[in-house]
Amino acid sequence: KNQVEQSPQSLIILEGKNCTLQCNYTVSPFSNLRWYKQDTGRGPVSLTIMTFSENTKSNGRYTATLDADTKQSSLHITASQLSDSASYICVVTFYNAGNMLTFGGGTRLMVKP
Amino acid sequence: DGGITQSPKYLFRKEGQNVTLSCEQNLNHDAMYWYRQDPGQGLRLIYYSQIVNDFQKGDIAEGYSVSREKKESFPLTVTSAQKNPTAFYLCASSQRDRIQYFGAGTRLSVL
Repeated sequence: KNQVEQSPQSLIILEGKNCTLQCNYTVSPFSNLRWYKQDTGRGPVSLTIMTFSENTKSNGRYTATLDADTKQSSLHITASQLSDSASYICVVTFYNAGNMLTFGGGTRLMVKP
Repeated sequence: DGGITQSPKYLFRKEGQNVTLSCEQNLNHDAMYWYRQDPGQGLRLIYYSQIVNDFQKGDIAEGYSVSREKKESFPLTVTSAQKNPTAFYLCASSQRDRIQYFGAGTRLSVL
């Protein structure tokens, strides 16, 4: 079964600090891996998308990396801001799932002043 | 403005009642999706539609029904057969296998 596991489940950091969120997936090959940001009570918004041949993708202070050998991805947030407080969801599209998405459980990030 | 509109934002269901969640998009996307989100869990696919007048069951379709009579609209009905409907429901759309754009969600609670 295709699975996407994220860690940690929750994280608290101080404003201005960096942090790294992890995503492990169990099945390959995959079509692409995406990171979404979801504010409380809102729909997810795409941050980055990487194909299996890419190993890094940046979007402002967000940088996603991908290691297809270890089946791991990480999302690094630089110089965190209070508005970064949200859930971050790793999403993988597996070839054997008809391009349907498999979602991780998310990491809830809280940035404190 | 282009986007996906879900309504209502909050919905309450009485026992035995069917309720319908609305999802409208003006992005001209062919594909539309309904997900359910429970606290601490990943989104789970309820139904999806790749084209008008066609839809497929997702992983947790029992107790739900959909229709796709128009390209812009993909309403979800939560029937009385769904015994645990309290959740956050998200609608999404995409152009084929491209990125999915999400609506703001509907929070459904049981009275």
